[in-house]
Amino acid sequence: GQQVQQSPSSLVLQEGENAELQCNFSSTATQLQWFYQSPGGSLVSLLSNPSGTKHTGRLTSTTVTKERRSSLHISSSQTTDSGTYLCAIDLDTGYQNFYFGKGTSLTVIP
Amino acid sequence: GPKVLQIPSHQIIDMGQMVTLNCDPVSNHLYFYWYKQILGQQMEFLVNFYNGKVMEKSKLFKDQFSVERPDGSYFTLKIQPTALEDSAVYFCASSPTGDTQYFGPGTRLLVL
Repeated sequence: GQQVQQSPSSLVLQEGENAELQCNFSSTATQLQWFYQSPGGSLVSLLSNPSGTKHTGRLTSTTVTKERRSSLHISSSQTTDSGTYLCAIDLDTGYQNFYFGKGTSLTVIP
Repeated sequence: GPKVLQIPSHQIIDMGQMVTLNCDPVSNHLYFYWYKQILGQQMEFLVNFYNGKVMEKSKLFKDQFSVERPDGSYFTLKIQPTALEDSAVYFCASSPTGDTQYFGPGTRLLVL
């Protein structure tokens, strides 16, 4: 079954608005990473956050491990934030393999 | 930040031929991974590699696939023979300790 579920599947914002992306997972996760995938396909790691809250720049991630969910908050969105945001977890199988969600496609319009 | 390189960026080959995808991981990283992303679909784990051995592989890692890292050089994914369904973007990743993974830009493989 689907190990990682992301919502919403797509989101359209006006520049300057905030975005809230959700990631829910079905099993214990020992590692969780948020990625940005550009329209061209390149993958960039944004935050590694298996538990608690982490900030970097305009990004804030909060992971509640017991509830098997994580969120990514993007403040003051910019047109260059447009792309796909992926949540990936490691399922504590003993080896570190990421299971990815299908992503949230974000479009920021000027 | 740390950079993983992948060579080539694009590859087009005929079905049945062999292809080798090359990954230049971050130096001093010990864990290596391959992932596959078919156009429009989600990224899926193929295999991980540590200490010269495959540690775990998914059901997508068919018998036609093999990985190696001879003498600490490139970490390679070889497909022999290729099939039409192998067309995808293949991402390599490396990690120093198995937690945070650093991804390369991907190799876009098209099998005709």
